[in-house]
Amino acid sequence: AQKITQTQPGMFVQEKEAVTLDCTYDTSDQSYGLFWYKQPSSGEMIFLIYQGSYDEQNATEGRYSLNFQKARKSANLVISASQLGDSAMYFCAMRELYGQNFVFGPGTRLSVLP
Amino acid sequence: DSGVTQTPKHLITATGQRVTLRCSPRSGDLSVYWYQQSLDQGLQFLIHYYNGEERAKGNILERFSAQQFPDLHSELNLSSLELGDSALYFCASSASQGARETQYFGPGTRLLVL
Repeated sequence: AQKITQTQPGMFVQEKEAVTLDCTYDTSDQSYGLFWYKQPSSGEMIFLIYQGSYDEQNATEGRYSLNFQKARKSANLVISASQLGDSAMYFCAMRELYGQNFVFGPGTRLSVLP
Repeated sequence: DSGVTQTPKHLITATGQRVTLRCSPRSGDLSVYWYQQSLDQGLQFLIHYYNGEERAKGNILERFSAQQFPDLHSELNLSSLELGDSALYFCASSASQGARETQYFGPGTRLLVL
């Protein structure tokens, strides 16, 4: 069974600092995809970054990067140079190759302080 | 803007009633997914359609049903509504159905059952 754990219900970070949001996952599959989404207070779900289980390099998208440690089954999101607009809920999600579902973690609420 | 549209944005109704939520996927996307997000359950996968066919069911109640039409838009029907059905309902679409396929979310329909 799939399972996503995000152990940080809430995080604070100072503006312009970097922050790491933790995500660990549980799967017996070798092929899977890992995703991060942002949900601001307005409610929409915004795709941030994707990491494939066979990707050798960590994914990066602008200020977002994914610290992927396959052996540890962790896929932490790193946000560099935090901005006030980064304040939101962040969800880690996983999908196995033959799985039909996205499974989401409980989320981490990030607050960026001025 | 993800390219996924959902109507209506807000819906207020009474217990026992039936409502229909509508979703138009991104142009060219064949897969449509429905999710329910409530405070106590988090993001829950409901159902997945691919090119008009049901592909997977998640935690979808028997009172709920969905379909995907030939033009690829989808509708989620919720009947005999209960207070606990109040939630944010998301539709997401992806080009196909593989593990690597990013799902792009619509803005959601916020349902309030009184």
